Amino acid sequence: QSVLTQPPSASGTPGQRVTISCSGSSSNIGSNTVNWFQQLPGTAPKLLIYTNNQRPSGVPDRFSGSKSGTSASLAISGLQSEDEADYYCAAWDDSLNGWVFGGGTKLTVL
Amino acid sequence: EVQLVESGGGLVQPGGSLRLSCAASGFTFSSSAMNWVRQAPGKGLDWVSTISPGGGSSYYADSVKGRFTISRDNSKNTLYLQMNSLRAEDTAVYYCAKDRHCDFWGQGTLVTVSS
Repeated sequence: QSVLTQPPSASGTPGQRVTISCSGSSSNIGSNTVNWFQQLPGTAPKLLIYTNNQRPSGVPDRFSGSKSGTSASLAISGLQSEDEADYYCAAWDDSLNGWVFGGGTKLTVL
Repeated sequence: EVQLVESGGGLVQPGGSLRLSCAASGFTFSSSAMNWVRQAPGKGLDWVSTISPGGGSSYYADSVKGRFTISRDNSKNTLYLQMNSLRAEDTAVYYCAKDRHCDFWGQGTLVTVSS
């Protein structure tokens, strides 16, 4: 059971917009920023979004993040087949004094 | 170019020990917090430990506290994870990740705990 809650799966067709939610509590998302990671099959995770809504250099602007209260979300617009991957949210937890991750969402492009 | 290369994984019996290394290059290692994150086969990401840039502060997941020790040698640009009293549930790919945002990850090293 992960501290942050994500839907286990999501799907969309090419060109569609998909959102993935991440629910936490006051000790993590409620008081700290959220990062999102993309893990393509068989590869190491890659930072996709940091500090709630910032994109590292090289990440397309089709990817966007937002946070409200104790929840966050990742939106992917103009869905492409290469977006098929696992997506994880993460935040520092002040009570646990460590990082907590969501369980991951497997995105399928139909 | 940023590079993180993990090594030291392998097969170990329950109760055994292993030391993982992460060789860093392409950035100012001594200015970066570093992290270990693991992923059990077919499972999600699981944070293990974080160490401050100078090594003076470290943090551990409850599941490894008292068994694992994170350390770093800034003169060698290398991060370590000493793992003792290993259990079957520690079986995973172990990744090192750079900085407070985990903005770059190594390719991982597989640790298998089994008799």
